[in-house]
Amino acid sequence: GAVVSQHPSWVICKSGTSVKIECRSLDFQATTMFWYRQFPKQSLMLMATSNEGSKATYEQGVEKDKFLINHASLTLSTLTVTSAHPEDSSFYICSADKPHNTEAFFGQGTRLTVV
Amino acid sequence: TQLLEQSPQFLSIQEGENLTVYCNSSSVFSSLQWYRQEPGEGPVLLVTVVTGGEVKKLKRLTFQFGDARKDSSLHITAAQPGDTGLYLCAGAPGSGGSNYKLTFGKGTLLTVNP
Repeated sequence: GAVVSQHPSWVICKSGTSVKIECRSLDFQATTMFWYRQFPKQSLMLMATSNEGSKATYEQGVEKDKFLINHASLTLSTLTVTSAHPEDSSFYICSADKPHNTEAFFGQGTRLTVV
Repeated sequence: TQLLEQSPQFLSIQEGENLTVYCNSSSVFSSLQWYRQEPGEGPVLLVTVVTGGEVKKLKRLTFQFGDARKDSSLHITAAQPGDTGLYLCAGAPGSGGSNYKLTFGKGTLLTVNP
């Protein structure tokens, strides 16, 4: 198997502040990680693909200046929600791509609430 | 862009009933995965199907991959309340390999009432 750890599990922040979410692959190296957003009772919506050592690739409609992604090592990708607003409140999930493996390994998710 | 149509979107049944969830596409996938997600947690992989026509069983769950690798189904026999959750299908593109993006279906929210 493969373990992906996401931190924090939940966070509450004030409008206008920034929040950083970490995604770590604990027992394998991940050159690619993915960040998703999920609304209640809905499927995952891909936000961006995080590539180690290079810029992230964002999906259409996702603001790259608002959702900053950094993949500085083979085991860590971070998503920073800048100048958060209540509409950014959501469940954010990361997954890591394990080489030579077709399945996705997901983190536990982060519940972000902006007040 | 590959699309994966998943149905039904919502399903509420009584304990002991059977059910089937479908995922269909006009695109070919190198593999298709089924995940189950509980509220407040990340999705957990149930099974991966790779070969066209493949059938895999996991206790009361039966997964099938279409012959043309464009569709898949999940059948649950004698559903139990513990089966409640969001079921997601996800397809890997035909070219396979690393650094690919999975295409997710919209999910099926299953509720099994005791």
